Amino acid sequence: GQQLNQSPQSMFIQEGEDVSMNCTSSSIFNTWLWYKQDPGEGPVLLIALYKAGELTSNGRLTAQFGITRKDSFLNISASIPSDVGIYFCAGQLSTNAGKSTFGDGTTLTVKP
Amino acid sequence: GAVVSQHPSWVICKSGTSVKIECRSLDFQATTMFWYRQFPKQSLMLMATSNEGSKATYEQGVEKDKFLINHASLTLSTLTVTSAHPEDSSFYICSASSSLLSPGPEQYFGPGTRLTVT
Repeated sequence: GQQLNQSPQSMFIQEGEDVSMNCTSSSIFNTWLWYKQDPGEGPVLLIALYKAGELTSNGRLTAQFGITRKDSFLNISASIPSDVGIYFCAGQLSTNAGKSTFGDGTTLTVKP
Repeated sequence: GAVVSQHPSWVICKSGTSVKIECRSLDFQATTMFWYRQFPKQSLMLMATSNEGSKATYEQGVEKDKFLINHASLTLSTLTVTSAHPEDSSFYICSASSSLLSPGPEQYFGPGTRLTVT
């Protein structure tokens, strides 16, 4: 089946720094999604991307849908302590009725 | 919009008993619901996909007789862990999506249920 490679696995950064993480796949997706999960909670949708090349922002977050449809990145600018958590990318095919393939997650730690 | 609730948020049960977890889409009709299991520091493991009014589709390796899924309406799906054992202890998360949402259909997750089997 399809697999997503998400990197880096973990990041330790200083408050105020920018963060970049990405996902790559061996096959194409029609939709890319980025989620954040806090400890003991369910993932929360941050950004959804629907077109190759699309660049979308949500506050300090920016994500792009790769031109090849096989990758996506998420940037966080000027990180703050509440950005701590696990970030998951997910890819969807339009034929799968919402079924998503998830990356293994990037654990972000922000030092004040 | 697109809020999903789960109940209970945590449950402790004795080995051999059954536990039911409810997943509700509060402000939209979910044509599809998904059930995941998550171990500490790991990604989401899809257990099954359910569409309203039809039988759930289970992922390979997931025992359908142990993890009973019912999707009785467009806003409610239940997962019953039957004859629970300590190895079933985990964080169970549901998600819901709708082909009626635009541009969608993204998955919206519930807050999760922590199951501990003693």
